[in-house]
Amino acid sequence: EDKVVQSPLSLVVHEGDTVTLNCSYEVTNFRSLLWYKQEKKAPTFLFMLTSSGIEKKSGRLSSILDKKELFSILNITATQTGDSAVYLCAALKGGGADGLTFGKGTHLIIQP
Amino acid sequence: GAGVSQSPSNKVTEKGKDVELRCDPISGHTALYWYRQSLGQGLEFLIYFQGNSAPDKSGLPSDRFSAERTGGSVSTLTIQRTQQEDSAVYLCASSLVWGGGTEAFFGQGTRLTVV
Repeated sequence: EDKVVQSPLSLVVHEGDTVTLNCSYEVTNFRSLLWYKQEKKAPTFLFMLTSSGIEKKSGRLSSILDKKELFSILNITATQTGDSAVYLCAALKGGGADGLTFGKGTHLIIQP
Repeated sequence: GAGVSQSPSNKVTEKGKDVELRCDPISGHTALYWYRQSLGQGLEFLIYFQGNSAPDKSGLPSDRFSAERTGGSVSTLTIQRTQQEDSAVYLCASSLVWGGGTEAFFGQGTRLTVV
């Protein structure tokens, strides 16, 4: 059975701190790993990672994939209260089938 | 519109009634997904449409759930004889071609409450 496990499930830090969110996966026919930020109802796309060891960056956010150890991390530096959200990790299978398998998310709370 | 549109945004229904949830994907997107997010749970895959191919219904939790996609565009998710455990946020996503390395865009979801 495919599964995606995120840790920690919740995290409370102070503004300005750096956080690292973890995602491990066991998915047959793995193709890519995606990170989403979910505020209120709808997730918004952050990164898609397909190649191992290549860091993707967007402002204060960065992410990297390790296809040998089957995990990815999402880093957020100099956190701001607006970063408070649930961060979802999802594994995409190849072959155009089955869609995404999501983890349960990490609930990140940034305190001022 | 520019994004994925879902309606209604909120729906309260009595147990046992049928409900229909609608999703308008981004124009030109051939792949469309329905997901469900229950309180405290991750996103649960329900059903997937890719072009004119038969949909992948492997995630539908029971035969009370069905979905169709007319003309390769608008999709409707129908829940018959709703139960309280059906209460959740139902999310729709679309992408250009699934499995082709393109991201999925999500709608704002429909919050369904069964009382």
